[in-house]
Amino acid sequence: DTGVSQDPRHKITKRGQNVTFRCDPISEHNRLYWYRQTLGQGPEFLTYFQNEAQLEKSRLLSDRFSAERPKGSFSTLEIQRTEQGDSAMYLCASSLGSTSINEQFFGPGTRLTVL
Amino acid sequence: DQQVKQNSPSLSVQEGRISILNCDYTNSMFDYFLWYKKYPAEGPTFLISISSIKDKNEDGRFTVFLNKSAKHLSLHIVPSQPGDSAVYFCAASAMRGAQKLVFGQGTRLTINP
Repeated sequence: DTGVSQDPRHKITKRGQNVTFRCDPISEHNRLYWYRQTLGQGPEFLTYFQNEAQLEKSRLLSDRFSAERPKGSFSTLEIQRTEQGDSAMYLCASSLGSTSINEQFFGPGTRLTVL
Repeated sequence: DQQVKQNSPSLSVQEGRISILNCDYTNSMFDYFLWYKKYPAEGPTFLISISSIKDKNEDGRFTVFLNKSAKHLSLHIVPSQPGDSAVYFCAASAMRGAQKLVFGQGTRLTINP
């Protein structure tokens, strides 16, 4: 399977705990995005990487959130001191980043439930 | 502010008929538009896209129309099939910079046999 993969698919945690999610993009894609989706809404942009550089962060990304993409391959998204409002589906997407094509391909998502 | 809007939360269509899903946007900087389909417990799947230099793009049963002056796009599915039942998201982006996608709220399409 050469699509975008995410791990874990589901995470249940208690409020105040730290969680980390992983995303493996399509191998030749140099752009990687994180989005968050809550019930009844479309995905909302969180942050994006061009290779290993994090070039943009949404104001939705509070200081409890940190994302990395070491070596420009897989990426991790960590949430510290989780709150109930962090419960959502966290989606990762990747793209070639061409100036003429912007199809982003999404992974299956990680569903986070904070109790 | 909701820059991309899908005003119909749900749509029900009979199998074999045409499904038309609508989307409006407000930001004139958007110049690339995409439709995604989403099944429960899965990530969005890319369906079809259109750049602002075109007003129509077709791929099999799916056609997207763009009306830039009205800031409106639509997705036509014909003929509709039961497997098309899913949530459809419209997304917009600017080709420069991050190319981040701004999504609408989604429309749940149900195809009735």
